[in-house]
Amino acid sequence: EVQLVESGGGLVQPGGSLRLSCAASGFTFNTYYMSWVRQAPGKGLESVAKIKPDGSEKYYVDSVRGRFTISRDNSKNSLYLQMNSLSAEDTAVYYCAKEDYWRFDIWGRGTLVTVSS
Amino acid sequence: QSALTQPPSASGSPGQSVTISCTGTSNDVGGYNYVSWYQQHPGKAPKLMIYEVSKRPSGVPDRFSGSKSGNTASLTVSGLQAEDEADYYCSSKAGGSTTVVFGGGTKLTVL
Repeated sequence: EVQLVESGGGLVQPGGSLRLSCAASGFTFNTYYMSWVRQAPGKGLESVAKIKPDGSEKYYVDSVRGRFTISRDNSKNSLYLQMNSLSAEDTAVYYCAKEDYWRFDIWGRGTLVTVSS
Repeated sequence: QSALTQPPSASGSPGQSVTISCTGTSNDVGGYNYVSWYQQHPGKAPKLMIYEVSKRPSGVPDRFSGSKSGNTASLTVSGLQAEDEADYYCSSKAGGSTTVVFGGGTKLTVL
């Protein structure tokens, strides 16, 4: 079964850090771009970071560049998102998604990140 | 403000057809055939319904169809059913951006 399972969300204070993980199964992980897509409460979707299959190139939306780092470990079929200098505007459900030619065809269930004091 | 513009709401009665628009620019929707549509039920992850403007993934009913004209893409849901009530988001490849851009979403209500 093709599956993505996120973990690592939770409550963090403004200025704090958090590391999200995503475990992939059921497909050849090391041949696909992978992305993190977030959704603030009651809002729409935003693609925040993307990584090439071999991890050699990484792309970010302007609002997180310099604060977030996407990475992957193909030996563990895992995707990560290191989030630093978090602010209230980063509060959202974070989805791990398999990306194939600018479409997200597999999504995880998401993990909630809440930035609040 | 989202990169792509969608109407906030749409509605139709069971059995009817409804079309949701997604307007961008020549730098995204109009410039590439990489428009996708996602369905999202409350509390659930989005689900890919249409990709590359008009293609349906395996398992998506043929009641869902997509098209594009100029800078505007459209999703049509025919033969509306109660389970089609959900939020729908469009997305597109965007020139000058390596990440995908989304529309703000449309809440579809089945009356």
